[in-house]
Amino acid sequence: DAGVIQSPRHEVTEMGQEVTLRCKPISGHNSLFWYRQTMMRGLELLIYFNNNVPIDDSGMPEDRFSAKMPNASFSTLKIQPSEPRDSAVYFCASPLRGDTGELFFGEGSRLTVL
Amino acid sequence: LAKTTQPISMDSYEGQEVNITCSHNNIATNDYITWYQQFPSQGPRFIIQGYKTKVTNEVASLFIPADRKSSTLSLPRVSLSDTAVYYCLVGVANTGKLIFGQGTTLQVKP
Repeated sequence: DAGVIQSPRHEVTEMGQEVTLRCKPISGHNSLFWYRQTMMRGLELLIYFNNNVPIDDSGMPEDRFSAKMPNASFSTLKIQPSEPRDSAVYFCASPLRGDTGELFFGEGSRLTVL
Repeated sequence: LAKTTQPISMDSYEGQEVNITCSHNNIATNDYITWYQQFPSQGPRFIIQGYKTKVTNEVASLFIPADRKSSTLSLPRVSLSDTAVYYCLVGVANTGKLIFGQGTTLQVKP
């Protein structure tokens, strides 16, 4: 198993553009977390999916952010329109079990919005 | 939500044992205590997890007192490569509430 795969690893875009970040969770795992990390705010929880359904999106900063998990193999985080303050590293993570706190993280997508 | 409190930073020297304590006063009955390590430009990496008492694996030990209101991560004989940020996390995945705190930046010096 290749673990959690994220793409792109780096993206530079201009303010106002649409950004789509992708995540392939651990094979067969239909639960997923998205986090965002910045120096100022640390690791922030954005959204949690279970059985491919968004269970808690209270961490999504505003309507410009949306996330989907159409199946157990794929999830996207979309920002439209992007703003400079969205610049961060975005991580997705697969829970290895639902009844513990163990997560397997991807390597992250570093987003820079100019 | 069980909030966690850790020291912001710690310094140590190679070969020493490092203990990082995390406070989580309002931990829930079903919550696990999980520790992660993060290097620059990488995602957090699971180190160790426990529910109560002591857990040991090949890289660390985790001590949890009976009241579970705190936990201590113990790293034996640290090396320069252990310089990283260490996070204490309290909860379980299926609640969707795995909230990271500020973490402890450990600097290991030669």
